[in-house]
Parts: sequence; structure tokens; C-alpha cells
Amino acid sequence: DAGVTQSPTHLIKTRGQQVTLRCSPKSGHDTVSWYQQALGQGPQFIFQYYEEEERQRGNFPDRFSGHQFPNYSSELNVNALLLGDSALYLCASSVSGSHYGYTFGSGTRLTVV
Amino acid sequence: GEDVEQSLFLSVREGDSSVINCTYTDSSSTYLYWYKQEPGAGLQLLTYIFSNMDMKQDQRLTVLLNKKDKHLSLRIADTQTGDSAIYFCAESKDAGNMLTFGGGTRLMVKP
Repeated sequence: DAGVTQSPTHLIKTRGQQVTLRCSPKSGHDTVSWYQQALGQGPQFIFQYYEEEERQRGNFPDRFSGHQFPNYSSELNVNALLLGDSALYLCASSVSGSHYGYTFGSGTRLTVV
Repeated sequence: GEDVEQSLFLSVREGDSSVINCTYTDSSSTYLYWYKQEPGAGLQLLTYIFSNMDMKQDQRLTVLLNKKDKHLSLRIADTQTGDSAIYFCAESKDAGNMLTFGGGTRLMVKP
């Protein structure tokens, strides 16, 4: 049973560009959350999607947007990239309302130069 | 706002017990989790505890919760070199809600 799959694994972008990261949740999971993990820090919550709607959002600017598809997969889009957006972006899936925590993917390492 | 604090680093010898500590500020935290992150990898859920529990044991792992002091600890018995990783505690207010993570504790296990 495949867990959470993220693509690509690594990405280098130039300041000002736009990027799209992709996530396929674990089989049976219907909720996808995105986290940003800067080097040496804990993950920070970006937003959560359920039933193709953004259900919760953390303290991130509107440059960060997302989407969830009918098959529960999700995309994270970041516009007008800044150097400070360089981080590991983690996707986590779960079953709505479950307290068993999230299953995390291995992440996409984004470097903005 | 919510805050979760952890010590940065812990070093133990193989076979000893490790205790990783975490404090949180939000008294409405309902679920508390411990995650493990190995180099270049995502986060692996180790265990969790509900706020109405004081202790939970799962094989080599023991979680203690002092709700009054908002203090959470993870004890790893018979620590092995494969336990070397970064350990994050996290809290959420409701099932399926967003997680607020601490900054992580790097555990180094010496042979």
C-alpha cells in the first residue's frame, strides 16, 4: 500500500517564478494538509483541503494557494517566489475527523535562487 | 498564540534510556503527538496521547503528560543507534485539526 507520494522530490526555481508541487494521499485518506519546514525548524501549517475546499489556513500569504481534486490528490502553488520560500514542503494525508494523526510524505525540497 | 518548545539536542549511549521533553502553552490542546524525522525523510508518527490521559506505553516508547504543567515527555527505552533522528512533538485542538509543531530535538545515540 503506497503511502503519501509527493513530486517532484527536488526543485530549483528563480526568485519571482511560480511553482506547483503535487501530492497523492495514502489510499483511503480524504484530507490533505501542507506544511512548510525551513531548515532546522519544525513544520509550519500552510493549509488543509477536504472535499475540494480549503478548510483551514495557517499564517501564510495569498501567494500560497492550493487545490484538491476529486480523487483527493492535491497541489500547492506558490507565486512570486522569494528566497525565504526555500524549504522542505511536506504533504500529509488523513481521514477527516480522525485523531490518529497524519501520514506524511517525504517532501519536496524547494530551493529559490 | 500557540507555542510548542523543545530542547535542541540530546546525546545518549546505546542501551540507555532517552527522555525528550516538550512544553506547550495552549491549554485547549486535545491531542499530542510525537513524530520522528530521519535525514532526508518525511515525518513518521511514533505515538500519540489524548489530553485526558497521563501515560501511554507502546513497546519501547512511554509518553507522559502533565496537563497542569503543559509538559509532555517521550521516553525511549534501550535506545539504539537506529533511534538517532530528530523528534518533534506536536499538538492539535481537535481530531483532524492542524498540527502545531515544536522545533524538534536532535537525538544522537553513541555506540
